[in-house]
Amino acid sequence: AQSVTQLGSHVSVSEGALVLLRCNYSSSVPPYLFWYVQYPNQGLQLLLKYTTGATLVKGINGFEAEFKKSETSFHLTKPSAHMSDAAEYFCAVIKNSGGYQKVTFGTGTKLQVIP
Amino acid sequence: NAGVTQTPKFQVLKTGQSMTLQCAQDMNHNSMYWYRQDPGMGLRLIYYSASEGTTDKGEVPNGYNVSRLNKREFSLRLESAAPSQTSVYFCASSTGLAGGYNEQFFGPGTRLTVL
Repeated sequence: AQSVTQLGSHVSVSEGALVLLRCNYSSSVPPYLFWYVQYPNQGLQLLLKYTTGATLVKGINGFEAEFKKSETSFHLTKPSAHMSDAAEYFCAVIKNSGGYQKVTFGTGTKLQVIP
Repeated sequence: NAGVTQTPKFQVLKTGQSMTLQCAQDMNHNSMYWYRQDPGMGLRLIYYSASEGTTDKGEVPNGYNVSRLNKREFSLRLESAAPSQTSVYFCASSTGLAGGYNEQFFGPGTRLTVL
C-alpha cells in the first residue's frame, strides 16, 4: 500500500524566511509525487509534480521539491516566504490502479506567514 | 472555460434529509471524482468514474451514491444524511488517458453541515 506522511500540521515562518514543508512517502513501485496548494475556501491547485527524470522539480510561485529515493522524501521548499503563500499544502502519491489513478493525499500542512 | 463547477457552495441539512451535490466540467475529461475533506485527514476518495457510463467505489463510499449523468456531469447523492457526513466535498476531473499521470482539476468545494 502506498501512503504519504506530512510532518507538522502547522508551520509558521516569517516573511522572507525559508519555507520547508516535509513529505515522506511509502510505495512499492516508483511513485508519481505531487504537491497541491489550497488557498482558503478554494479547491486544490497543482503546485508541482514529479513523474520521471530530473529529481529537482520546479513549480509555480517559486516553489520547488526534490525527490530523494534513498530518503523516500519529497520535501517542498521556497527560499523566501511571501504573505500570499499562506495556505494549506498537501503532498500526494499517485499510482495507476485498475484503470484509474489512485491518489493518496497526506493530511496537509497549514503554512502561516508572519509579517 | 469554467473548469470544474460545483453546486451548491454551502448547504445545511437535518439528519435524515437527502440531497444531491452537482458537479460539471467543461474540459472534455473522461474521469471524474468525488472527495471529502475533513480536518487532519486530508482528502479521501468517495467514488470515481473512470469514464462515462462507469462508476466505482473509492475509500469511503458508505452513505453515498453517484450518477455519471453524461460526460460532463457527475453527481453525489446523500440519501439519508448523518452528522458524520458533515464535511467539505470536492469534485475533480482528469483526462483519464491510459498511462502516465493525468492531473486532476478540482472544483471550489461544497461545505455541508448535517445537524
